[in-house]
Amino acid sequence: EPEVTQTPSHQVTQMGQEVILRCVPISNHLYFYWYRQILGQKVEFLVSFYNNEISEKSEIFDDQFSVERPDGSNFTLKIRSTKLEDSAMYFCASSFGTVGTEAFFGQGTRLTVV
Amino acid sequence: GEDVEQSLFLSVREGDSSVINCTYTDSSSTYLYWYKQEPGAGLQLLTYIFSNMDMKQDQRLTVLLNKKDKHLSLRIADTQTGDSAIYFCALIMEYGNKLVFGAGTILRVKS
Repeated sequence: EPEVTQTPSHQVTQMGQEVILRCVPISNHLYFYWYRQILGQKVEFLVSFYNNEISEKSEIFDDQFSVERPDGSNFTLKIRSTKLEDSAMYFCASSFGTVGTEAFFGQGTRLTVV
Repeated sequence: GEDVEQSLFLSVREGDSSVINCTYTDSSSTYLYWYKQEPGAGLQLLTYIFSNMDMKQDQRLTVLLNKKDKHLSLRIADTQTGDSAIYFCALIMEYGNKLVFGAGTILRVKS
């Protein structure tokens, strides 16, 4: 069964460092997303990406964040200068269509900023 | 913005029915979803309901939607130990494409 894969599963980084979280969406999907879940809090939408550009982003997704689809398979989230409050589980998701189609989620990358 | 609330924890005995509840604030939600998260795994879509429906049944799962009260529930019949997980309610607004999640309900099934 096709699945969304994320690497690494756990990343520890020092405050101020740049991190790149990687995702391989399902191959025929067209829409890509990043969500995050701070420990004990809700899963929050960060950004959606379609046709090689951001289609929607939340207030959380400020200038420190960027997304890229560098080739036909990977979808990355970059945090330029990490802060302690960026520590969270980051989920990548992809879907074939928009509303009403299933978004498949990866298993998440746990980012710990120290 | 939209707010989605769930109770934090539910404990049931194996074989009993589980009912997980969710309330939301914005009536323009179009699709409402239930996701399951097992330890170390991603979010797995269990079922969803369109906002013009009141009920949807899928094997052991029954989703009830009360639009007037803005209340969504997920009933799991004959709950098994393998159903122990975190269950997230989520919805999509009209004209949107992002999922708005609740905080999740931890379901513990005792054998």
